[in-house]
Amino acid sequence: DAMVIQNPRYQVTQFGKPVTLSCSQTLNHNVMYWYQQKSSQAPKLLFHYYDKDFNNEADTPDNFQSRRPNTSFCFLDIRSPGLGDAAMYLCATSLRTGTGSYEQYFGPGTRLTVT
Amino acid sequence: AQSVTQLDSQVPVFEEAPVELRCNYSSSVSVYLFWYVQYPNQGLQLLLKYLSGSTLVKGINGFEAEFNKSQTSFHLRKPSVHISDTAEYFCAVLAIQGAQKLVFGQGTRLTINP
Repeated sequence: DAMVIQNPRYQVTQFGKPVTLSCSQTLNHNVMYWYQQKSSQAPKLLFHYYDKDFNNEADTPDNFQSRRPNTSFCFLDIRSPGLGDAAMYLCATSLRTGTGSYEQYFGPGTRLTVT
Repeated sequence: AQSVTQLDSQVPVFEEAPVELRCNYSSSVSVYLFWYVQYPNQGLQLLLKYLSGSTLVKGINGFEAEFNKSQTSFHLRKPSVHISDTAEYFCAVLAIQGAQKLVFGQGTRLTINP
């Protein structure tokens, strides 16, 4: 089945220690998103890639970076995690055509704990 | 810009009872509408979507929703719920033109009691 895969599902890191979360997709979608979701809140968009074009949200901290080496993979790098960065991180994909884009398909998420 | 309001943060319901989760939106442009479900420690799963056509849309797990343009609403319904429907439900809109970003409501926690 075509899907969005996130690894690892659970990640523990230390305060200030860089961490990378990964996302891969078999849907061949041209847009990939990263969301941060804290407890009992809606997902918050951090940034997205439309093909190779990176689009950062205005309020995303500089501590968060992303890489998309090819269509299938996208990475979220947190350079110096703080306690406030503990959250669920969700990757999503969608297909954007000349008429726009439609539903987003989400991965299972990575639960990040910062100690 | 778009905004989404889910009128109930928590909805407790007895098993096999009907349920309605309410969603209202605001937008100056036409939008697509979605309902997603999130089980504990999982990602979001698409329940149903309205893109165009019939205003009554049917989704997975027996859920349906009705798009009401005049009331700018997209309420989610199920005639008989199960324990397994216990989850967080998010209503979301996507502008057909423009920024193309999903805008989520705050979520409704549906709890099914035996």
